[in-house]
Amino acid sequence: GENVEQHPSTLSVQEGDSAVIKCTYSDSASNYFPWYKQELGKGPQLIIDIRSNVGEKKDQRIAVTLNKTAKHFSLHITETQPEDSAVYFCAAPHSGNTPLVFGKGTRLSVIA
Amino acid sequence: EPEVTQTPSHQVTQMGQEVILRCVPISNHLYFYWYRQILGQKVEFLVSFYNNEISEKSEIFDDQFSVERPDGSNFTLKIRSTKLEDSAMYFCASSYGTGYEKLFFGSGTQLSVL
Repeated sequence: GENVEQHPSTLSVQEGDSAVIKCTYSDSASNYFPWYKQELGKGPQLIIDIRSNVGEKKDQRIAVTLNKTAKHFSLHITETQPEDSAVYFCAAPHSGNTPLVFGKGTRLSVIA
Repeated sequence: EPEVTQTPSHQVTQMGQEVILRCVPISNHLYFYWYRQILGQKVEFLVSFYNNEISEKSEIFDDQFSVERPDGSNFTLKIRSTKLEDSAMYFCASSYGTGYEKLFFGSGTQLSVL
């Protein structure tokens, strides 16, 4: 089955700097890789996702890159702001068309 | 913007009691899920539901758990006889198509078993 590893577990950056969070997955058949943001007291919210037929996707200040050969994908946040502070989770399907397996999460703190 | 709603936000129960957690998925979504998150840990899959039946479940989802879609809008998770280790935040989620893409999560029910 799918195993998703996420690093780092905590990350502190100065406001305006970039943040990068990395994940690896084990199932080479996985073809969909979302990132979720969880703010305090709320459920995870999808912020960006990527399919395996592209290597990079951008949405304003956030981007996700995918390396299928190495089986890893990363979240990049540029020009970080205090409201980016949250826990971020990567995920991948368990196998084929089955539910998501989440990483352990990264607590991002953006220091003003 | 449509959202998944969950009630109650907090539930306290005694060990051995039955609890029902309620969810109203987004109205045109077809796939429904329950996940749980023990404090400080990752989000874990419990069960998925499609076309009025369970499509997949994890090893966590044992005989003490059951799900139901009693009407056209609600989706419930029942824990028959709660244990201390069932204490967690339970998230309901729904998606429109393909079963795992673009999940929308509710804000969760914090279950505390005493």
